[in-house]
Amino acid sequence: DTGVSQDPRHKITKRGQNVTFRCDPISEHNRLYWYRQTLGQGPEFLTYFQNEAQLEKSRLLSDRFSAERPKGSFSTLEIQRTEQGDSAMYLCASSLGRTGGYQETQYFGPGTRLLVL
Amino acid sequence: AQTVTQSQPEMSVQEAETVTLSCTYDTSESDYYLFWYKQPPSRQMILVIRQEAYKQQNATENRFSVNFQKAAKSFSLKISDSQLGDAAMYFCAYRSRDSGGGADGLTFGKGTHLIIQP
Repeated sequence: DTGVSQDPRHKITKRGQNVTFRCDPISEHNRLYWYRQTLGQGPEFLTYFQNEAQLEKSRLLSDRFSAERPKGSFSTLEIQRTEQGDSAMYLCASSLGRTGGYQETQYFGPGTRLLVL
Repeated sequence: AQTVTQSQPEMSVQEAETVTLSCTYDTSESDYYLFWYKQPPSRQMILVIRQEAYKQQNATENRFSVNFQKAAKSFSLKISDSQLGDAAMYFCAYRSRDSGGGADGLTFGKGTHLIIQP
């Protein structure tokens, strides 16, 4: 078990550029979550996958944001036409979802810190 | 929508002493999960303790325990015998019970910065 990994760990970009982040969940986990954390705040939920299906999107996820999990393993989060307000830590988490409503713990990755100049 | 409130932006405790971090939440649901996560400086978030709302018994994990008051919608974290390694941001989080048709993410509070004084 190598834990949740994210790449890159840091990204600096200019306003208007596109950026893409990658998340590799714990191998047997079927659920994958993306969160955004701004300075001094708790993480805010963005979107969630169960296997390859994107089941929920927060209203925080504007049209410039898109997430994929094509084979139900790793996931990518792309931000198009970045804005300074997109500067934040982007966290990925994974869990093993089971039937019957039992909620497994979400395990977090180290995050990707984005700075938009 | 659920909300989580952590009213203490910062707490300080002497090493080896006990400290309690407060968390309240607002929900209309009867079945849910509550969590405390720890985020050390520049390190990833890790789970400290979790509580299922249907369980009346308070969860404990070694030096960490919770006081879960469902009627009051309160979920405080007690850290006994504080250690220097406990210094971190602590986040309280809420999650609905998975209905099977979809799942919300965690709803977090703003966090409490815990300082351990040697």
